[in-house]
Amino acid sequence: NAGVTQTPKFRILKIGQSMTLQCTQDMNHNYMYWYRQDPGMGLKLIYYSVGAGITDKGEVPNGYNVSRSTTEDFPLRLELAAPSQTSVYFCASSTGGMGYEQYFGPGTRLTVT
Amino acid sequence: LAKTTQPISMDSYEGQEVNITCSHNNIATNDYITWYQQFPSQGPRFIIQGYKTKVTNEVASLFIPADRKSSTLSLPRVSLSDTAVYYCLVGDPSGGGADGLTFGKGTHLIIQP
Repeated sequence: NAGVTQTPKFRILKIGQSMTLQCTQDMNHNYMYWYRQDPGMGLKLIYYSVGAGITDKGEVPNGYNVSRSTTEDFPLRLELAAPSQTSVYFCASSTGGMGYEQYFGPGTRLTVT
Repeated sequence: LAKTTQPISMDSYEGQEVNITCSHNNIATNDYITWYQQFPSQGPRFIIQGYKTKVTNEVASLFIPADRKSSTLSLPRVSLSDTAVYYCLVGDPSGGGADGLTFGKGTHLIIQP
């Protein structure tokens, strides 16, 4: 049982490039989340999903897109990367909403230059 | 939506008991209180969750007074490895979705020898 896995671990992007951050969970959780964490700050919710085919915006969705075609996978797409998107990105999953115990992945450290 | 307030930082010494208090004055009837721990370069990890009175597990205790407007995370006999950021979240587990829950900046606990 691997839990929540994320790839890549690190990535450097040039301004204007695009990329997809991958997230997979093997716990059959319906709920999945994407957060970003800037240095010295707490986590901010970007997007979340309550099940396959259903996604919704969180606190800071601008510049990102998500899809949820399967229960296991919840990729995060960055279009036209900007320096403001330099951050650490965490994916999480839970059996219910955010009030339930969330299981986090190891994170992806992204730098946009 | 219940807003939480925690101290930005705390210091203690190995072997001491550490208590971190979180204020949540507008907690709703169905809200639970959840605490997470985050080490540098890792995703947050669930510590404990409770609704009222006292909850204890192998890691910590959570004390919640009758009015539920605050809660205290108690870490017994801390060690250097307990140095981390601790987040308090308040929300309804049955609410589904994001419920507006946010992690905030958390409390940076530093344990010294």
